[in-house]
Amino acid sequence: DGGITQSPKYLFRKEGQNVTLSCEQNLNHDAMYWYRQDPGQGLRLIYYSQIVNDFQKGDIAEGYSVSREKKESFPLTVTSAQKNPTAFYLCASSKGSAGVGEQYFGPGTRLTVT
Amino acid sequence: GQNIDQPTEMTATEGAIVQINCTYQTSGFNGLFWYQQHAGEAPTFLSYNVLDGLEEKGRFSSFLSRSKGYSYLLLKELQMKDSASYLCAPWSSGAGSYQLTFGKGTKLSVIP
Repeated sequence: DGGITQSPKYLFRKEGQNVTLSCEQNLNHDAMYWYRQDPGQGLRLIYYSQIVNDFQKGDIAEGYSVSREKKESFPLTVTSAQKNPTAFYLCASSKGSAGVGEQYFGPGTRLTVT
Repeated sequence: GQNIDQPTEMTATEGAIVQINCTYQTSGFNGLFWYQQHAGEAPTFLSYNVLDGLEEKGRFSSFLSRSKGYSYLLLKELQMKDSASYLCAPWSSGAGSYQLTFGKGTKLSVIP
């Protein structure tokens, strides 16, 4: 089955620690995205990548970093510089250029930082 | 940036029809997506409009008016499983970048 996987589903960290969320897709999609969702809020774009070794900042990139060394993988690191890291993080991918075509979402990772 | 406005909550009866409106303001508009998101789950794609008019897909239809910055999602023959949030997401591009912004979503409750 093709799809997007994110792990883990729930993640707990202490304040001041960096944490990396994984996102893998086997859909052969070119574009991948990371979003953050807070209660009662819409999805906000953190980073996106259109091709391997290239990525662009979204609306709320501060305190986050990404890499795209392989087409299938787009991990997100939440650094200690992110002031409010507790949120629901969603990874997505789409065929073709960024923004063109529907996005397929992974199941999400709920990160809690205390 | 983009401004997106959609109602926060709506309630409708099973078997009925409901229309969820979305207005947006953006430059470099290319098209508009609608996604469905059940509580605690990831969004799933419902529809995409790039031209003015109505796109029908089974019980779901979506309408776009580019000149008015307006879209709606129409759900017919409502079922209990349609209780979810519906996210309006216009996307735009320009100067080598792209922007897809999701509205806060309309939480639809379907009651018996």
